[in-house]
Amino acid sequence: DSGVTQTPKHLITATGQRVTLRCSPRSGDLSVYWYQQSLDQGLQFLIQYYNGEERAKGNILERFSAQQFPDLHSELNLSSLELGDSALYFCASSAQGYPNTEAFFGQGTRLTVV
Amino acid sequence: DAKTTQPNSMESNEEEPVHLPCNHSTISGTDYIHWYRQLPSQGPEYVIHGLTSNVNNRMASLAIAEDRKSSTLILHRATLRDAAVYYCILRGGADGLTFGKGTHLIIQP
Repeated sequence: DSGVTQTPKHLITATGQRVTLRCSPRSGDLSVYWYQQSLDQGLQFLIQYYNGEERAKGNILERFSAQQFPDLHSELNLSSLELGDSALYFCASSAQGYPNTEAFFGQGTRLTVV
Repeated sequence: DAKTTQPNSMESNEEEPVHLPCNHSTISGTDYIHWYRQLPSQGPEYVIHGLTSNVNNRMASLAIAEDRKSSTLILHRATLRDAAVYYCILRGGADGLTFGKGTHLIIQP
């Protein structure tokens, strides 16, 4: 158990809809990262938050947004969903976000868009 | 983050050591070498990281070449539970990890 909790584990929704994925980081970790893993793209970094502030952006679509709340949990919002958004979405957390610190990943949310 | 090159797949026998290579010829002086693995149907899992010196932990050892242009992850005694995709990642900043395709490790009983 990594200590990172993601909910829900599975989500099935229709095209055009909006969903929210939730992540609770390890206790005390200030950095939260979101990743998308699809069969053809592999693991892609989407966005990072550090202590409530956006810190880095990766390959995140404009239809996607995220935030980190004062209690440090984070949510990833996906809107106007398309079939191609079907993927595993992982959240990771780390203590400080320095390059020599390890990241701990949750078990992921499997999103299926039909 | 600089790019790494790993073999697509490797096969080993159970209870034997496994050496997983990684080339990173464009590594900068401040890049840390991280290894993660992903077991089937699970999230990535941290394995080990280092900067210049060899590192050991309960999971594995990391051997770093003197010029730092390559490194090797060593699993001392592979078990079936070590079958996974292993990712070698260079990290110079605090941004998200850049995952490549990794090495698919197959363990034969």
